[in-house]
Amino acid sequence: AQSVSQHNHHVILSEAASLELGCNYSYGGTVNLFWYVQYPGQHLQLLLKYFSGDPLVKGIKGFEAEFIKSKFSFNLRKPSVQWSDTAEYFCAVNERTNAGKSTFGDGTTLTVKP
Amino acid sequence: NAGVTQTPKFQVLKTGQSMTLQCAQDMNHEYMSWYRQDPGMGLRLIHYSVGAGITDQGEVPNGYNVSRSTTEDFPLRLLSAAPSQTSVYFCASRQDGNEKLFFGSGTQLSVL
Repeated sequence: AQSVSQHNHHVILSEAASLELGCNYSYGGTVNLFWYVQYPGQHLQLLLKYFSGDPLVKGIKGFEAEFIKSKFSFNLRKPSVQWSDTAEYFCAVNERTNAGKSTFGDGTTLTVKP
Repeated sequence: NAGVTQTPKFQVLKTGQSMTLQCAQDMNHEYMSWYRQDPGMGLRLIHYSVGAGITDQGEVPNGYNVSRSTTEDFPLRLLSAAPSQTSVYFCASRQDGNEKLFFGSGTQLSVL
């Protein structure tokens, strides 16, 4: 069975600080990787996704993530966070079949202090 | 295009009551799923479906039933509500494994 592990449960940063959130997955087959964001009081929205090709993917709002196959990792980064980035961030993995389940990590709460 | 519609938004139940959370999507997505979100535990998959007439269990299926009689609808039934089922429930759908999930706005359920 696949699983997703997010190592940081709560991160507190000041504005303009750099961000890196860790995500590791466990699955024997081919997967698609996603980062979702949930702003307070809202439902989940897609930040970025990786299917194949360039392992460095760029998403919305200046976020990027790097897929390192050998480490089963898909860490999320942003060079300079803003107060509006305060949210909960979820890493997710799809088995690469149409019937594949989507499995989420436990989430990381990011608080950005102005 | 309405996307994924969940009803109700809020619900309070007494222990032992039953109820159905409704989920409908108008994007002709084959894959639909139900998650529950609890603090510090992320989103846990309850049940999912890859098409009409096909359902399967996720991580935490106990106490919940689903059916998929049409492509559009995927209701989640709580047979006998328990306080442990107090949570926020999200329905989500997608076209295929290469695509993102589209989420409903959630149902906040409290079981007293």
